[in-house]
Amino acid sequence: GQQLNQSPQSMFIQEGEDVSMNCTSSSIFNTWLWYKQDPGEGPVLLIALYKAGELTSNGRLTAQFGITRKDSFLNISASIPSDVGIYFCAGENYGGSQGNLIFGKGTKLSVKP
Amino acid sequence: GAGVSQTPSNKVTEKGKYVELRCDPISGHTALYWYRQSLGQGPEFLIYFQGTGAADDSGLPNDRFFAVRPEGSVSTLKIQRTERGDSAVYLCASSSAGGVGETQYFGPGTRLLVL
Repeated sequence: GQQLNQSPQSMFIQEGEDVSMNCTSSSIFNTWLWYKQDPGEGPVLLIALYKAGELTSNGRLTAQFGITRKDSFLNISASIPSDVGIYFCAGENYGGSQGNLIFGKGTKLSVKP
Repeated sequence: GAGVSQTPSNKVTEKGKYVELRCDPISGHTALYWYRQSLGQGPEFLIYFQGTGAADDSGLPNDRFFAVRPEGSVSTLKIQRTERGDSAVYLCASSSAGGVGETQYFGPGTRLLVL
């Protein structure tokens, strides 16, 4: 089946640093989504990307849909403590089931000790 | 307005028992989804309802898992003869119409532990 490879698996941030994470797939997706999940909560949508090459911002977050439609990245600028959590990429295809989101394994953001 | 709610928030059961997990979607949302999230993993799709009918149940792992949505709103995920490997967080999501690109809003999940 389709799989998403998300990296890095985890990273430590210091307040004010920029953060970057990415997601790749061996197959094409029509939509790329980035979610954040806090402990004990469900994932919350951050950014949705619908067109190859699309670059979208949401406050300090910026995400891009790769030209090949097989990858996406998420950048967080000037990180703040509340950015800690787990970030998931997810892909959606228009063919087949329209409910079937494929999720990566997540990137865990923690604060540097 | 209220978001997606799930009950119970936690469920501990013994191997071999039957469990039911409930999802209340956002009012008016016609599409409802169930996902399963194991520790350290992303959510994995189980089943998708459009109204009362299951539009796609290809993610259900085996015939011990079953879900219903009889009136097109609340949904129940049913697991028979639970196994320790069923332990996970079961997430429910809903979207307005279920079309392509529709935002899925997730509930907080039910944490199931099978002893």
